[in-house]
Amino acid sequence: QKEVEQDPGPLSVPEGAIVSLNCTYSNSAFQYFMWYRQYSRKGPELLMYTYSSGNKEDGRFTAQVDKSSKYISLFIRDSQPSDSATYLCAMNSGGYQKVTFGIGTKLQVIP
Amino acid sequence: GAGVSQSPSNKVTEKGKDVELRCDPISGHTALYWYRQSLGQGLEFLIYFQGNSAPDKSGLPSDRFSAERTGGSVSTLTIQRTQQEDSAVYLCASSSRRSSGVNEQFFGPGTRLTVL
Repeated sequence: QKEVEQDPGPLSVPEGAIVSLNCTYSNSAFQYFMWYRQYSRKGPELLMYTYSSGNKEDGRFTAQVDKSSKYISLFIRDSQPSDSATYLCAMNSGGYQKVTFGIGTKLQVIP
Repeated sequence: GAGVSQSPSNKVTEKGKDVELRCDPISGHTALYWYRQSLGQGLEFLIYFQGNSAPDKSGLPSDRFSAERTGGSVSTLTIQRTQQEDSAVYLCASSSRRSSGVNEQFFGPGTRLTVL
Protein backbone atom coordinates (compact mmCIF):
# COMPACT_ATOMS: atom_id res chain seq x y z
CA GLN A 1 0.00 0.00 0.00
CA LYS A 2 1.30 3.43 -0.94
CA GLU A 3 1.71 6.05 1.76
CA VAL A 4 -0.47 8.44 -0.23
CA GLU A 5 -3.36 7.32 -2.41
CA GLN A 6 -4.94 9.54 -5.03
CA ASP A 7 -7.33 8.70 -7.85
CA PRO A 8 -5.56 9.53 -11.13
CA GLY A 9 -8.81 10.31 -12.96
CA PRO A 10 -9.18 11.74 -15.51
CA LEU A 11 -11.93 13.94 -14.17
CA SER A 12 -13.94 15.94 -16.70
CA VAL A 13 -16.36 18.66 -15.57
CA PRO A 14 -18.27 21.51 -17.23
CA GLU A 15 -17.16 25.07 -16.68
CA GLY A 16 -18.63 26.51 -13.47
CA ALA A 17 -18.84 23.16 -11.68
CA ILE A 18 -17.52 22.52 -8.20
CA VAL A 19 -14.61 20.12 -8.26
CA SER A 20 -13.61 17.88 -5.39
CA LEU A 21 -10.16 16.27 -5.37
CA ASN A 22 -9.10 13.91 -2.61
CA CYS A 23 -6.24 11.96 -1.13
CA THR A 24 -5.88 9.47 1.68
CA TYR A 25 -2.68 8.72 3.53
CA SER A 26 -1.40 6.22 6.04
CA ASN A 27 1.52 7.95 7.81
CA SER A 28 0.39 9.54 11.07
CA ALA A 29 3.58 11.63 11.17
CA PHE A 30 2.44 13.83 8.30
CA GLN A 31 1.74 17.34 9.55
CA TYR A 32 1.94 19.55 6.47
CA PHE A 33 -0.41 19.03 3.58
CA MET A 34 0.02 20.65 0.22
CA TRP A 35 -1.63 20.77 -3.17
CA TYR A 36 0.44 21.28 -6.27
CA ARG A 37 -0.86 22.06 -9.74
CA GLN A 38 0.98 20.83 -12.80
CA TYR A 39 0.24 22.00 -16.31
CA SER A 40 1.24 19.82 -19.22
CA ARG A 41 5.01 19.68 -19.78
CA LYS A 42 5.67 21.96 -16.81
CA GLY A 43 6.94 21.36 -13.30
CA PRO A 44 4.44 21.33 -10.42
CA GLU A 45 3.76 24.57 -8.57
CA LEU A 46 2.48 24.97 -5.04
CA LEU A 47 -1.18 25.94 -4.98
CA MET A 48 -2.10 25.73 -1.32
CA TYR A 49 -0.91 24.29 1.96
CA THR A 50 -2.38 23.58 5.35
CA TYR A 51 -0.92 22.58 8.66
CA SER A 52 -2.73 19.99 10.75
CA SER A 53 -6.51 19.68 10.53
CA GLY A 54 -9.04 22.20 9.34
CA ASN A 55 -9.96 24.27 6.32
CA LYS A 56 -8.12 26.94 4.41
CA GLU A 57 -9.63 29.09 1.71
CA ASP A 58 -7.89 31.04 -1.05
CA GLY A 59 -10.18 32.57 -3.63
CA ARG A 60 -11.97 29.78 -5.47
CA PHE A 61 -9.87 27.10 -3.75
CA THR A 62 -10.47 25.44 -0.39
CA ALA A 63 -8.14 22.90 1.16
CA GLN A 64 -9.47 20.62 3.86
CA VAL A 65 -7.66 18.21 6.15
CA ASP A 66 -9.20 15.58 8.39
CA LYS A 67 -6.34 13.97 10.31
CA SER A 68 -8.62 11.61 12.21
CA SER A 69 -9.62 10.03 8.90
CA LYS A 70 -6.27 10.64 7.20
CA TYR A 71 -8.13 12.32 4.37
CA ILE A 72 -7.45 15.58 2.56
CA SER A 73 -9.47 17.42 -0.06
CA LEU A 74 -9.18 20.31 -2.45
CA PHE A 75 -12.34 22.01 -3.63
CA ILE A 76 -12.45 24.28 -6.66
CA ARG A 77 -15.49 26.51 -7.00
CA ASP A 78 -16.69 28.00 -10.29
CA SER A 79 -14.14 25.93 -12.19
CA GLN A 80 -12.57 27.50 -15.27
CA PRO A 81 -10.95 25.97 -18.36
CA SER A 82 -7.66 27.42 -17.09
CA ASP A 83 -7.97 25.08 -14.09
CA SER A 84 -7.39 22.14 -16.44
CA ALA A 85 -4.23 20.54 -15.10
CA THR A 86 -3.02 17.68 -12.94
CA TYR A 87 -3.43 18.24 -9.21
CA LEU A 88 -1.03 16.49 -6.86
CA CYS A 89 -1.50 16.21 -3.15
CA ALA A 90 1.70 16.23 -1.13
CA MET A 91 2.61 15.92 2.52
CA ASN A 92 5.48 15.62 4.94
CA SER A 93 6.27 15.62 8.62
CA GLY A 94 7.83 19.06 8.60
CA GLY A 95 11.06 20.92 8.05
CA TYR A 96 12.98 19.91 4.98
CA GLN A 97 11.90 16.30 5.33
CA LYS A 98 11.14 14.71 2.00
CA VAL A 99 7.70 15.34 0.62
CA THR A 100 5.56 12.41 -0.43
CA PHE A 101 3.35 13.06 -3.43
CA GLY A 102 0.16 11.47 -4.64
CA ILE A 103 0.02 10.21 -8.21
CA GLY A 104 -1.97 13.27 -9.30
CA THR A 105 -5.52 13.68 -10.60
CA LYS A 106 -5.89 14.96 -14.13
CA LEU A 107 -8.69 17.52 -14.35
CA GLN A 108 -10.29 18.85 -17.50
CA VAL A 109 -12.77 21.71 -17.34
CA ILE A 110 -14.83 21.88 -20.49
CA PRO A 111 -16.04 25.32 -21.71
CA GLY B 1 14.00 36.41 -10.15
CA ALA B 2 15.16 33.30 -11.95
CA GLY B 3 13.48 30.05 -11.13
CA VAL B 4 14.90 26.55 -11.10
CA SER B 5 16.48 25.65 -14.42
CA GLN B 6 17.31 22.23 -15.79
CA SER B 7 19.30 21.09 -18.77
CA PRO B 8 18.95 19.55 -21.20
CA SER B 9 15.20 19.85 -21.65
CA ASN B 10 15.18 16.67 -23.72
CA LYS B 11 17.68 13.85 -23.92
CA VAL B 12 17.54 10.83 -26.19
CA THR B 13 20.15 8.19 -25.57
CA GLU B 14 20.88 4.60 -26.43
CA LYS B 15 20.57 1.81 -23.93
CA GLY B 16 23.82 1.32 -22.04
CA LYS B 17 25.05 4.91 -22.35
CA ASP B 18 25.62 7.22 -19.39
CA VAL B 19 23.71 10.48 -19.06
CA GLU B 20 24.12 13.57 -16.90
CA LEU B 21 21.24 15.84 -16.00
CA ARG B 22 21.85 19.27 -14.55
CA CYS B 23 19.86 21.39 -12.12
CA ASP B 24 20.43 25.04 -11.19
CA PRO B 25 18.39 25.83 -8.07
CA ILE B 26 17.07 29.17 -6.95
CA SER B 27 19.85 31.19 -5.40
CA GLY B 28 19.85 30.92 -1.62
CA HIS B 29 17.78 27.76 -1.43
CA THR B 30 19.58 25.28 0.78
CA ALA B 31 17.55 22.19 -0.05
CA LEU B 32 17.53 20.50 -3.47
CA TYR B 33 15.48 17.50 -4.56
CA TRP B 34 15.43 15.14 -7.52
CA TYR B 35 12.28 13.32 -8.59
CA ARG B 36 11.33 11.05 -11.45
CA GLN B 37 7.90 11.25 -13.05
CA SER B 38 6.62 8.46 -15.24
CA LEU B 39 3.22 8.01 -16.80
CA GLY B 40 0.95 6.44 -14.22
CA GLN B 41 3.63 6.51 -11.52
CA GLY B 42 3.42 10.02 -10.17
CA LEU B 43 6.37 11.81 -8.63
CA GLU B 44 8.97 9.37 -7.36
CA PHE B 45 11.46 10.78 -4.87
CA LEU B 46 15.08 10.04 -5.72
CA ILE B 47 17.44 12.08 -3.53
CA TYR B 48 17.67 15.29 -1.59
CA PHE B 49 20.44 17.56 -0.37
CA GLN B 50 20.10 19.89 2.59
CA GLY B 51 22.94 22.28 3.33
CA ASN B 52 26.10 20.47 4.36
CA SER B 53 24.27 17.38 5.64
CA ALA B 54 24.74 13.97 4.07
CA PRO B 55 22.23 13.59 1.24
CA ASP B 56 19.17 11.39 1.66
CA LYS B 57 19.67 8.81 -1.08
CA SER B 58 16.89 6.53 0.02
CA GLY B 59 14.90 6.93 -3.21
CA LEU B 60 17.62 6.04 -5.70
CA PRO B 61 16.35 2.93 -7.53
CA SER B 62 19.74 1.33 -8.15
CA ASP B 63 23.47 1.91 -7.89
CA ARG B 64 23.41 3.11 -11.51
CA PHE B 65 21.96 6.36 -10.18
CA SER B 66 24.05 8.94 -8.38
CA ALA B 67 23.88 12.65 -7.72
CA GLU B 68 26.13 15.35 -6.42
CA ARG B 69 25.73 18.95 -5.47
CA THR B 70 28.78 21.13 -5.82
CA GLY B 71 29.30 24.20 -3.67
CA GLY B 72 25.81 23.95 -2.28
CA SER B 73 24.34 25.08 -5.58
CA VAL B 74 24.29 23.24 -8.91
CA SER B 75 23.42 19.56 -8.86
CA THR B 76 24.06 16.79 -11.37
CA LEU B 77 22.12 13.54 -11.55
CA THR B 78 24.05 10.79 -13.33
CA ILE B 79 22.54 7.61 -14.68
CA GLN B 80 25.04 4.99 -15.76
CA ARG B 81 24.35 2.22 -18.26
CA THR B 82 20.87 3.53 -18.98
CA GLN B 83 18.00 1.10 -19.39
CA GLN B 84 14.70 1.59 -21.20
CA GLU B 85 12.86 1.68 -17.88
CA ASP B 86 14.84 4.80 -17.00
CA SER B 87 12.80 6.73 -19.58
CA ALA B 88 10.89 9.39 -17.65
CA VAL B 89 10.81 13.08 -16.85
CA TYR B 90 13.40 13.97 -14.23
CA LEU B 91 12.38 16.94 -12.12
CA CYS B 92 14.52 19.00 -9.83
CA ALA B 93 13.18 21.23 -7.07
CA SER B 94 14.74 23.60 -4.59
CA SER B 95 13.20 24.54 -1.34
CA SER B 96 12.52 27.56 0.76
CA ARG B 97 10.91 26.73 4.03
CA ARG B 98 8.33 29.34 4.84
CA SER B 99 8.09 30.92 8.26
CA SER B 100 4.99 28.77 8.68
CA GLY B 101 7.21 25.70 8.48
CA VAL B 102 5.87 24.35 5.23
CA ASN B 103 8.45 22.99 2.82
CA GLU B 104 7.60 24.87 -0.36
CA GLN B 105 9.38 23.31 -3.29
CA PHE B 106 9.95 25.18 -6.54
CA PHE B 107 10.24 22.88 -9.50
CA GLY B 108 12.18 23.20 -12.70
CA PRO B 109 10.62 22.30 -16.06
CA GLY B 110 12.22 18.86 -16.05
CA THR B 111 14.42 16.84 -18.38
CA ARG B 112 12.57 14.37 -20.58
CA LEU B 113 14.82 11.32 -20.92
CA THR B 114 14.18 8.73 -23.60
CA VAL B 115 16.28 5.59 -23.67
CA LEU B 116 16.07 3.73 -26.96
